[in-house]
Amino acid sequence: QKEVEQNSGPLSVPEGAIASLNCTYSDRGSQSFFWYRQYSGKSPELIMSIYSNGDKEDGRFTAQLNKASQYVSLLIRDSQPSDSATYLCAVSGGYQKVTFGTGTKLQVIP
Amino acid sequence: DVKVTQSSRYLVKRTGEKVFLECVQDMDHENMFWYRQDPGLGLRLIYFSYDVKMKEKGDIPEGYSVSREKKERFSLILESASTNQTSMYLCAITDGYSYEQYFGPGTRLTVT
Repeated sequence: QKEVEQNSGPLSVPEGAIASLNCTYSDRGSQSFFWYRQYSGKSPELIMSIYSNGDKEDGRFTAQLNKASQYVSLLIRDSQPSDSATYLCAVSGGYQKVTFGTGTKLQVIP
Repeated sequence: DVKVTQSSRYLVKRTGEKVFLECVQDMDHENMFWYRQDPGLGLRLIYFSYDVKMKEKGDIPEGYSVSREKKERFSLILESASTNQTSMYLCAITDGYSYEQYFGPGTRLTVT
């Protein structure tokens, strides 16, 4: 079983819609959760961190964490073509090591 | 802003060559990491370092070694490059207070 699982996609949404990206993890002791955006040929860029159950909003992005269900999600409101990228979910249980999912490719259709 | 630089964006080497990939950070961060990224396999940790001259193996250390003689510089060494080491190599740092990782631009290495 993979430690961090994501649907590889592609997830296609029309411009202006809400994109919903999901991630599950296997280590119940995980404490820190991250979403990274990676454009083709570029390195990952941190867009959200979440550490406690519930929602965390930053502009058009909302991260949601449910530790009981071992589930993290990222909502992107008013999706733009510039949001088209691969989104990586990452989880840390401590000691600075972070485990990454393989990513979900998002395509926003104009 | 955190700045992480890597010595080359693209590199082509021959099988059997010794390859050095260098990562430099401009802040006083203790923790530095080397990953490789391959399609369908995601990011895999090769080695990390939590202080000068300290290193720990990651998930796939075979065929690689590292060096950290100064705090700002973390080098990945391929002792004898092989074609299965063709990949995107990414260096990252964390600040020691959170586990947020910040990446360099990456080096796309091709071994022929």
